[in-house]
Amino acid sequence: EVQLVQSGAEVKKPGESLKISCKGSGYSFTSYWIGWVRQMPGKGLEWMGIIYPGDSDTRYSPSFQGQVTISADKSISTAYLQWSSLKASDTAMYYCARDAMGDYFDYWGQGTLVTVSS
Amino acid sequence: QSALTQPASVSGSPGQSITISCTGTSSDVGGYNYVSWYQQHPGKAPKLMIYDVSNRPSGVSNRFSGSKSGNTASLTISGLQAEDEADYYCSSYTSSSTLDFGTGTKVTVL
Repeated sequence: EVQLVQSGAEVKKPGESLKISCKGSGYSFTSYWIGWVRQMPGKGLEWMGIIYPGDSDTRYSPSFQGQVTISADKSISTAYLQWSSLKASDTAMYYCARDAMGDYFDYWGQGTLVTVSS
Repeated sequence: QSALTQPASVSGSPGQSITISCTGTSSDVGGYNYVSWYQQHPGKAPKLMIYDVSNRPSGVSNRFSGSKSGNTASLTISGLQAEDEADYYCSSYTSSSTLDFGTGTKVTVL
């Protein structure tokens, strides 16, 4: 059974750093892209970027380029999303998802709620 | 990167059919047969309902169907049921090798 299990909710202050994780199981982790999707409170889905764990090839949405870093450790089948300096506007639910063929997400993690508040 | 345009809300009575539109451009929806649709219930992760315009993943009811004409894709839900009440998002591959999501549509079962 394909599963993506994300790390737990985080409460941070503006300016702090953060790295959240997404662990894949039940499939060949290095053979599928993993993407990250943001959903701000009460808002829609936003595609942030994707990574191919096999060779760490990474692509970012122009809206998120330079704002976050996507990485992966294939030895432990885990993808990451990190911030170096959080802002209040980063408060959102973040989902990881498996990109099946480069154009759609077939399996999703349960989401990680990130709250940034002073 | 621009969000694809969807109606904010669509409603229907049980048993009826409804259609949700998703309008983009020739750089996304119109340029590729790579449109997908997701269902999201409150507090839950999105679920894939349709991929590559009209294909249903295993386990998704055949009451859900997808199509595309020009720069507009559509999701039709036939035989509307109470459990279909949710938010629905379209997504398309783009000429920038990224994905764009739609603005989202709230489906209400009357």
